[in-house]
Amino acid sequence: GQQLNQSPQSMFIQEGEDVSMNCTSSSIFNTWLWYKQDPGEGPVLLIALYKAGELTSNGRLTAQFGITRKDSFLNISASIPSDVGIYFCAGHGTQGGSEKLVFGKGTKLTVNP
Amino acid sequence: KAGVTQTPRYLIKTRGQQVTLSCSPISGHRSVSWYQQTPGQGLQFLFEYFSETQRNKGNFPGRFSGRQFSNSRSEMNVSTLELGDSALYLCASRGQVSTDTQYFGPGTRLTVL
Repeated sequence: GQQLNQSPQSMFIQEGEDVSMNCTSSSIFNTWLWYKQDPGEGPVLLIALYKAGELTSNGRLTAQFGITRKDSFLNISASIPSDVGIYFCAGHGTQGGSEKLVFGKGTKLTVNP
Repeated sequence: KAGVTQTPRYLIKTRGQQVTLSCSPISGHRSVSWYQQTPGQGLQFLFEYFSETQRNKGNFPGRFSGRQFSNSRSEMNVSTLELGDSALYLCASRGQVSTDTQYFGPGTRLTVL
């Protein structure tokens, strides 16, 4: 089945540093999504990407939909303590005629003030 | 517009019991999906309902079932609970179009003792 490889698994950074994480897949996706999850809460959508090559920003966050449609990255610039959480990528596509939304395992971000 | 709501937020049950979780989607959204999230397995897709019909199903045993009502509210039921069913159960809704982005609720934390 479709799998997403998300890396790194965890990151420990200093406040003010930039962060980069990515997801890759052996399958093509039609949509890439990036979510952030705080402890005990549901994932919150950060950025949605709908077209190969698309580069989208949301404040200090920037994400790109790879031109091969098999990868995506998320950058966070000038990190702040509230950026702490788990970031998930998700790819939306079809498998065996059914729509699937497949999630990466997440990147746990720790920001030291 | 109100977000996805889930009730209850926390639940403690014992093995062998059954449980019903509830999800109210964003107003106007007709699709509701359910996910199980555990530290080891990450986000696992359970099923999706659209206009009261199950349109997609993950690889979970028949103890996991769901339904959707005419107002798009959805319930998920787990029968004969096992210790391994302890997890955060997340509900997500999206609009009518298959490529619409999913928005998650806060989840129901189920603990099976």
